[in-house]
Amino acid sequence: DIQMTQSPSSVSASVGDRVTITCRASQGITNWLVWYQQKPGKAPKLLIYAASSLQSGVPSRFAGSGSGTEFTLTINNLQPEDSATYYCQQANSFSFGQGTKLEIK
Amino acid sequence: QVQLVQSGAELKKPGASVKVSCKASGYTFTDYYIYWVRQAPGQGLEWVAWISPKSGGTHYAQKFLGRVTVTRDTSLTTAYMEFSSLRSDDTAVFYCARDKTGYTSTFEIWGQGTVVIVSS
Repeated sequence: DIQMTQSPSSVSASVGDRVTITCRASQGITNWLVWYQQKPGKAPKLLIYAASSLQSGVPSRFAGSGSGTEFTLTINNLQPEDSATYYCQQANSFSFGQGTKLEIK
Repeated sequence: QVQLVQSGAELKKPGASVKVSCKASGYTFTDYYIYWVRQAPGQGLEWVAWISPKSGGTHYAQKFLGRVTVTRDTSLTTAYMEFSSLRSDDTAVFYCARDKTGYTSTFEIWGQGTVVIVSS
């Protein structure tokens, strides 16, 4: 199975900052990579699909990039409502990364 | 609007089975795969299985093979996940999710989650 490794496991940043979360696949997955946001007690929400396509309704400050084995989720101009846990997922074998908890200072 | 509504919380004893339902509305049920995802308390997301509502075809994560069965009833536009031989470490929230465009392995629409507690 393809393993997905996210880093960091947690990050703290201030409103207006830029945050980057990395997801590495144990083998090449072309662009079969999805990003989700999950807030406590809620179902996950689709943010980015096909590595870099922004889901409808998601603010443009969210951006995904990468291909092959290394992918990034960048959140520009951080907002208080971005406090959440972010997961990457390999969209072939469905395996998820372990999550990155983002705290807004 | 497009939505998935799951059945309510369950409390089960070890060794029992649980069946969770996922009622779809607002779209053609047979056009989109349904996925099931597990999240243990304080833990990450774990894919469990998928089902094609059109064909009834299924696929399971190796970890859950033999303990999970997913089915659907097209007349009720409802998918089901049955989990057997429950253990205390199966306590989790189970989500169903609908694919974005058919079968792209992108989970676009999510149910609200069903809490399953396994305790004696």
